[in-house]
Amino acid sequence: DTAVSQTPKYLVTQMGNDKSIKCEQNLGHDTMYWYKQDSKKFLKIMFSYNNKELIINETVPNRFSPKSPDKAHLNLHINSLELGDSAVYFCASSQDLQTSGYYNEQFFGPGTRLTVL
Amino acid sequence: AQSVTQLDSQVPVFEEAPVELRCNYSSSVSVYLFWYVQYPNQGLQLLLKYLSGSTLVESINGFEAEFNKSQTSFHLRKPSVHISDTAEYFCAVSRSGGYNKLIFGAGTRLAVHP
Repeated sequence: DTAVSQTPKYLVTQMGNDKSIKCEQNLGHDTMYWYKQDSKKFLKIMFSYNNKELIINETVPNRFSPKSPDKAHLNLHINSLELGDSAVYFCASSQDLQTSGYYNEQFFGPGTRLTVL
Repeated sequence: AQSVTQLDSQVPVFEEAPVELRCNYSSSVSVYLFWYVQYPNQGLQLLLKYLSGSTLVESINGFEAEFNKSQTSFHLRKPSVHISDTAEYFCAVSRSGGYNKLIFGAGTRLAVHP
């Protein structure tokens, strides 16, 4: 009964490949996020979706494409992987402030460690 | 835009000693403030948050943080640490009233030694 789950937990691949990371939340939230944590542990938001609509899109290369088939899922597809994409990618979810009227905590998944060789 | 500075990348401390992890933020608008903890090979967990009201906020495991608007700080403290508190601690801000976008500091590694 994990709240926010990600698959796979580890992903090792060659440069130039295309890969996807999946995220699912069973908390009934309407907003989901992707964060990237680099080798120095620095965390930065990449994307956010609210009710399947993209609401936050930071300066991320367009090789990264998020897809939200429904409110409970937010997948991250990465084309033409580069060495610099090696990182831990965290998915998170929350209930939107705009709809609930108050701040809601973001719940994080366990992370996916991507290693590009 | 908002930014967060965590002044110490690593803080070594002996068990049962007090500790303070420093966090300063910059923002031209009102913000919410947070401390997240990341245990080895795990995701992030919310430790405590300041949204409004009392400037001193506490967690269930003995940590506290105080929002100081004049000094734009939100330092995390614990009077007596345990080995199990060893982890990475992240300070974060989010613009109040806007989209729930967390801006993180670089993190502080708390290492508690016996």
